[in-house]
Amino acid sequence: EAQVTQNPRYLITVTGKKLTVTCSQNMNHEYMSWYRQDPGLGLRQIYYSMNVEVTDKGDVPEGYKVSRKEKRNFPLILESPSPNQTSLYFCASSLMGTEYKTRTGELFFGEGSRLTVL
Amino acid sequence: RKEVEQDPGPFNVPEGATVAFNCTYSNSASQSFFWYRQDCRKEPKLLMSVYSSGNEDGRFTAQLNRASQYISLLIRDSKLSDSATYLCVVNMANFGNEKLTFGTGTRLTIIP
Repeated sequence: EAQVTQNPRYLITVTGKKLTVTCSQNMNHEYMSWYRQDPGLGLRQIYYSMNVEVTDKGDVPEGYKVSRKEKRNFPLILESPSPNQTSLYFCASSLMGTEYKTRTGELFFGEGSRLTVL
Repeated sequence: RKEVEQDPGPFNVPEGATVAFNCTYSNSASQSFFWYRQDCRKEPKLLMSVYSSGNEDGRFTAQLNRASQYISLLIRDSKLSDSATYLCVVNMANFGNEKLTFGTGTRLTIIP
């Protein structure tokens, strides 16, 4: 089954304790992205990756890091989480990428990771 | 001005009615447009793409007005299962800098 898998789905942590949210997709998509969703603000892009070893900042990258060492995985790292990073996080993947003809605009989302930083 | 703006609602509509949402975008260079649906506490899923000539998928019709920079979604004969948040999404495709921008969503509740 084609899917994007995020872990953990729910996490409560404390300020300053490093954490990683994993994301894996099995659709061989080039493009992957992380979003956070907050009430009244909608989905905001944190980082995105057009391909392996190619990552770039989205709209709200501060306090986050990512890596793309393999095509299927795109982990989100919070080196020193703070309470303002409490949010619902979504990983997504798409055929969008270097192959213009294959761009469809359809993002496939993971089920979300609800993070609370105390 | 926000890049993509939607009326947040909520829209409370009786079952069987027709409902329409609009979404405006600020960047005239935007090249592709979509409507996504998000159920409560779930991930967004693509509902339909929006083409320049307008397109229909069953009870759903999407239209694009480039001159006025807005897209619309029309739902006919609404069902209880249509209750969700509808997200307007705009893609300003720019080689090497692909990015989808999401509106904050319009919340729809279909009332029995």
